[in-house]
Amino acid sequence: ETGVTQTPRHLVMGMTNKKSLKCEQHLGHNAMYWYKQSAKKPLELMFVYNFKEQTENNSVPSRFSPECPNSSHLFLHLHTLQPEDSALYLCASSQHGTGGRTEAFFGQGTRLTVV
Amino acid sequence: DAKTTQPNSMESNEEEPVHLPCNHSTISGTDYIHWYRQLPSQGPEYVIHGLTSNVNNRMASLAIAEDRKSSTLILHRATLRDAAVYYCILLHGGATNKLIFGTGTLLAVQP
Repeated sequence: ETGVTQTPRHLVMGMTNKKSLKCEQHLGHNAMYWYKQSAKKPLELMFVYNFKEQTENNSVPSRFSPECPNSSHLFLHLHTLQPEDSALYLCASSQHGTGGRTEAFFGQGTRLTVV
Repeated sequence: DAKTTQPNSMESNEEEPVHLPCNHSTISGTDYIHWYRQLPSQGPEYVIHGLTSNVNNRMASLAIAEDRKSSTLILHRATLRDAAVYYCILLHGGATNKLIFGTGTLLAVQP
């Protein structure tokens, strides 16, 4: 248990479906992140939120829509995905403003399969 | 962002020490050296970090070269549960904590 909880752990969705991934942390952190990890590839940073505001979007297609209603919760809304979007989606949190002095905590990830 | 270079894979025997190297020749004075590991089918987990001095914690030790252009993660007695991908990442000492992952080192531990 890392303090970062992701739900669901596994998700299978059709290309026309709409689904959402949820991430929750109760570590008192004010920065949250979404990462994508495709098979045999490094983790790719998708979005960064600091104090509920999106501060980074790394050229992520609009079919991925993040939402951060408060510092403890982060969502990733999915619609009209493609099979190549199948991957492990990881959420992380950390304390903004501490630079490299503190660590980040990751959830266990959501294994997404698009059929 | 300063880059790191790690071997793609390493092998160790159970209960023996493991030294995982990382080169970061373009490190800046305010970059922290972080290590994370990712076990199969799990999210990454923090292992250790340091700036200039060597660091020890319950999981591992971090040895940092005097010129800071390289570092070594030391697992004192490898167990089968230490088999994972180990990532060496530099974090600038500014406000952001975002982690940029490379390909890491895949550590195999033989019984």
